[in-house]
Amino acid sequence: NAGVTQTPKFQVLKTGQSMTLQCAQDMNHNSMYWYRQDPGMGLRLIYYSASEGTTDKGEVPNGYNVSRLNKREFSLRLESAAPSQTSVYFCASSEPAGDGQPQHFGDGTRLSIL
Amino acid sequence: EDQVTQSPEALRLQEGESSSLNCSYTVSGLRGLFWYRQDPGKGPEFLFTLYSAGEEKEKERLKATLTKKESFLHITAPKPEDSATYLCAVQAVGNAGKSTFGDGTTLTVKP
Repeated sequence: NAGVTQTPKFQVLKTGQSMTLQCAQDMNHNSMYWYRQDPGMGLRLIYYSASEGTTDKGEVPNGYNVSRLNKREFSLRLESAAPSQTSVYFCASSEPAGDGQPQHFGDGTRLSIL
Repeated sequence: EDQVTQSPEALRLQEGESSSLNCSYTVSGLRGLFWYRQDPGKGPEFLFTLYSAGEEKEKERLKATLTKKESFLHITAPKPEDSATYLCAVQAVGNAGKSTFGDGTTLTVKP
């Protein structure tokens, strides 16, 4: 049972490059989320998708775009990477949004922007 | 705006020395409060959900409690394997399942 799978696990980019972080879940969850975690800080929501076909901005969406490809997959794209986007990125999924259900997380993508 | 404050930032205990972690929150209608454990290099792992004041949940050496303003994670006779960062998060009613996280408490248990 894989749960939430994120690829790649590590990535180094140069300023201005673009890349897409991939996330897939096999728990048949409707809701998916992208967070960033900076040293000594909690998780900050970038974007979320309450259900297939919908996406909404979270707390820190600037510089990012997302695609809910299907019920399983939710990708995060950096169009023009900046050093301030150096962080650990976590994808999560949960049962229907608003039901007070916990989120299930992947093991993250560690991204460095030089 | 929903807010979550965790204290202390870091806690060092001797094996067997019981203690508590605090999570203070403000939310416009609590849908659920969550505790997660995060090991270095890993994603958060779900521990407990609490829905209403007075509720308690237990798992092995951990016990979570909830009041209208805060939650405590009590650790009884901790072992070195309990060392991790513990995250608290809240979901508000009508907020599409979005969670607001605290910054976490990093627990170190020395043998």
